[in-house]
Amino acid sequence: EPEVTQTPSHQVTQMGQEVILRCVPISNHLYFYWYRQILGQKVEFLVSFYNNEISEKSEIFDDQFSVERPDGSNFTLKIRSTKLEDSAMYFCASEGLTETEAFFGQGTRLTVV
Amino acid sequence: ILNVEQSPQSLHVQEGDSTNFTCSFPSSNFYALHWYRWETAKSPEALFVMTLNGDEKKKGRISATLNTKEGYSYLYIKGSQPEDSATYLCAPLGQAGTALIFGKGTTLSVSS
Repeated sequence: EPEVTQTPSHQVTQMGQEVILRCVPISNHLYFYWYRQILGQKVEFLVSFYNNEISEKSEIFDDQFSVERPDGSNFTLKIRSTKLEDSAMYFCASEGLTETEAFFGQGTRLTVV
Repeated sequence: ILNVEQSPQSLHVQEGDSTNFTCSFPSSNFYALHWYRWETAKSPEALFVMTLNGDEKKKGRISATLNTKEGYSYLYIKGSQPEDSATYLCAPLGQAGTALIFGKGTTLSVSS
């Protein structure tokens, strides 16, 4: 069964460092998403990506965040200068059409120290 | 981005009880509604995608209905089991190609 894969599963980084979270969506999907969940809080939408550009983003997705699909398979989330409050589980998802279900990866746990 | 409300926020039932919870959204400008289940330490899992008013979908003991005219969807679990314990999220879409924005979810806890 096709699946969304995320790497690494856990990343520890120093405050102020840049991190790149990687996702390999399902190959024929068109829509890509990043979400995060801070421990004990709700799932928060960060950004959606379609046709090689951002289609929507939330207030959380400020200038410190960026997304790329550099090679047509990977979908990356970059945080330029991490803050302690960026510590969370980050989930990538992909979707074929909006009438169909989205598939989520297993998440990357980011810990900023 | 559609506003979405889910109720109750949390629910605790005994094994074997049937239960239901609600996802409310603006009735105008509706395109589709997604239901997901999210178990602790796992990634969200799709349950249903609903598009038509009056839709009823079923997967095992879980079913969902949709009323787009009044702006709500119900999720029902018949004969709850401990493995049903999870947070149930809904995400309505106002148009094709828009992002899945989840409600805060209903957290279900089933005791044996």
